[in-house]
Amino acid sequence: AQSVTQPDIHITVSEGASLELRCNYSYGATPYLFWYVQSPGQGLQLLLKYFSGDTLVQGIKGFEAEFKRSQSSFNLRKPSVHWSDAAEYFCAVGANNAGNMLTFGGGTRLMVKP
Amino acid sequence: DVKVTQSSRYLVKRTGEKVFLECVQDMDHENMFWYRQDPGLGLRLIYFSYDVKMKEKGDIPEGYSVSREKKERFSLILESASTNQTSMYLCANQHTIYFGEGSWLTVV
Repeated sequence: AQSVTQPDIHITVSEGASLELRCNYSYGATPYLFWYVQSPGQGLQLLLKYFSGDTLVQGIKGFEAEFKRSQSSFNLRKPSVHWSDAAEYFCAVGANNAGNMLTFGGGTRLMVKP
Repeated sequence: DVKVTQSSRYLVKRTGEKVFLECVQDMDHENMFWYRQDPGLGLRLIYFSYDVKMKEKGDIPEGYSVSREKKERFSLILESASTNQTSMYLCANQHTIYFGEGSWLTVV
């Protein structure tokens, strides 16, 4: 069975600092990996996804993620955090491009200090 | 922009009531999904539908049913609401790229 672990429940960074959110997955085949962001009281917005090819994926809002098969990881990064990035972030793994049966991690809540 | 609309954003229902959560998409996508979101647990799949009148159970279908009479509409039904179904419910469509804004359900 597939699973996703986001080890950090809460992270606080200063505005302008770099950010890395961790995501580890367990999946028997080639995974399809996603990162979503959720602002308070809102639905989820897709930041980026990885299906194949270049293991460094660029997304919206200046985010990127790197797929490392040997470490079963798909960490999300941003070089300089803005106060508007404060939100909850979810990593997910799926079986195919259609996104059927996505399995989500528990989420990481990001707080940004001024 | 693709839109997934959940008409009811905030609901308060009594234990034992029947509850309908509606989700409408404005694209012609076959797949639609209902997830439940709880703190620390992320999103868990309740049901999904890959076509009209077709449905499949997700990870936590107990206590829920769904209806897909038209391609654009996917309804989640709580036959007899219970307090442990108090949660945020999120609908998504094809590729799970587009999510609705969520329906906050409180069962008292």
